[in-house]
Amino acid sequence: GAGVSQSPSNKVTEKGKDVELRCDPISGHTALYWYRQSLGQGLEFLIYFQGNSAPDKSGLPSDRFSAERTGGSVSTLTIQRTQQEDSAVYLCASSSRDRGQYEQYFGPGTRLTVT
Amino acid sequence: GENVEQHPSTLSVQEGDSAVIKCTYSDSASNYFPWYKQELGKGPQLIIDIRSNVGEKKDQRIAVTLNKTAKHFSLHITETQPEDSAVYFCAASNQAGTALIFGKGTTLSVSS
Repeated sequence: GAGVSQSPSNKVTEKGKDVELRCDPISGHTALYWYRQSLGQGLEFLIYFQGNSAPDKSGLPSDRFSAERTGGSVSTLTIQRTQQEDSAVYLCASSSRDRGQYEQYFGPGTRLTVT
Repeated sequence: GENVEQHPSTLSVQEGDSAVIKCTYSDSASNYFPWYKQELGKGPQLIIDIRSNVGEKKDQRIAVTLNKTAKHFSLHITETQPEDSAVYFCAASNQAGTALIFGKGTTLSVSS
């Protein structure tokens, strides 16, 4: 079946501009996660959505970062007033209640470059 | 909060040899430990995972062992092949449906 999809695959933006990154989770998955991977680094948790519960935003690095999930499916990560240190690959993952929600499946990521 | 350390950062082996990557974690409440393989330009792919109620799990050439007392877990790849070359990440979490805390990755190179 279809996996997690993300768009765009690459985004180049100027410092100070806002960007929106999109994630389409695996159909039927109730939990959705955003992570950030900086060059040569591991994955850093940003935010996750669990069904209709309030999202866990504890990993967001600043108030310039926000995310929403509409209709329990598609999610958008928004970065306002981008800075060069925001340059990274932004990865989305989803998990299924059927498997106890432990197993997270990742999309291909969006590579963000802030110039 | 949880902290995951991963070693080594790079590992080079000859085709057919075994490879072992080790991770330690700090939070004794962690109960789920997945391993991901990431190829260049792609997202991480879940290759094997283990929960705290078992000590070892195998899937063909890969296996994971867990020592809860020592708070460490390891990935073992036997009979390595060039296509095993990738970056491998370990992770830990203490509750289903919550954030994974990742190690910094191991770049595995398998030469033929």
